[in-house]
Amino acid sequence: DAGVTQSPTHLIKTRGQHVTLRCSPISGHKSVSWYQQVLGQGPQFIFQYYEKEERGRGNFPDRFSARQFPNYSSELNVNALLLGDSALYLCASSLVPDASGNTIYFGEGSWLTVV
Amino acid sequence: GENVEQHPSTLSVQEGDSAVIKCTYSDSASNYFPWYKQELGKRPQLIIDIRSNVGEKKDQRIAVTLNKTAKHFSLHITETQPEDSAVYFCAASKGGGGNKLTFGTGTQLKVEL
Repeated sequence: DAGVTQSPTHLIKTRGQHVTLRCSPISGHKSVSWYQQVLGQGPQFIFQYYEKEERGRGNFPDRFSARQFPNYSSELNVNALLLGDSALYLCASSLVPDASGNTIYFGEGSWLTVV
Repeated sequence: GENVEQHPSTLSVQEGDSAVIKCTYSDSASNYFPWYKQELGKRPQLIIDIRSNVGEKKDQRIAVTLNKTAKHFSLHITETQPEDSAVYFCAASKGGGGNKLTFGTGTQLKVEL
């Protein structure tokens, strides 16, 4: 069965550039969340989308944006990249939007290196 | 907002011994507490979770306990094996909080032969 899929798996960008990361949730899942995991730390919540609407936003600057498409896939965009944006970006999907009611599954992530 | 603290940061045990990892949370409204295992370069994988209407849950060699009064929960791994070596993260979420999981800082578990 297909889990959460993310692309690209690895990428290198230069400071100031823009990046787009993509995620396809598990079939039937309508909620997608994005997390940033800096090396040696736990994942930090960035966004949640459900039925194409933003349902939550973490403490990240406006350089970070996301959207969800009618097929429930999602994109995370980061503008004006900084060295500190280097991290593993994880996409998570779930059937419904509330964590207390269902299980959250993570994709393999996109490793972003900013040089 | 929610704050989750996790201890210890590193844990080394002999194969066959038990391992215990503890987490505390700050928001009394939190009601969902998953544990994830993350191997080097891999995604976090859910290994067990517990909801606030349950005090303990067990799945083979893994168990989680929850004390809502004290706002702490623990992961117990019995009969540890080398393949249990990984980083373990606890997390917390509250009803109506969407899918926002607040993670602990992780525990590097090493199971030695």
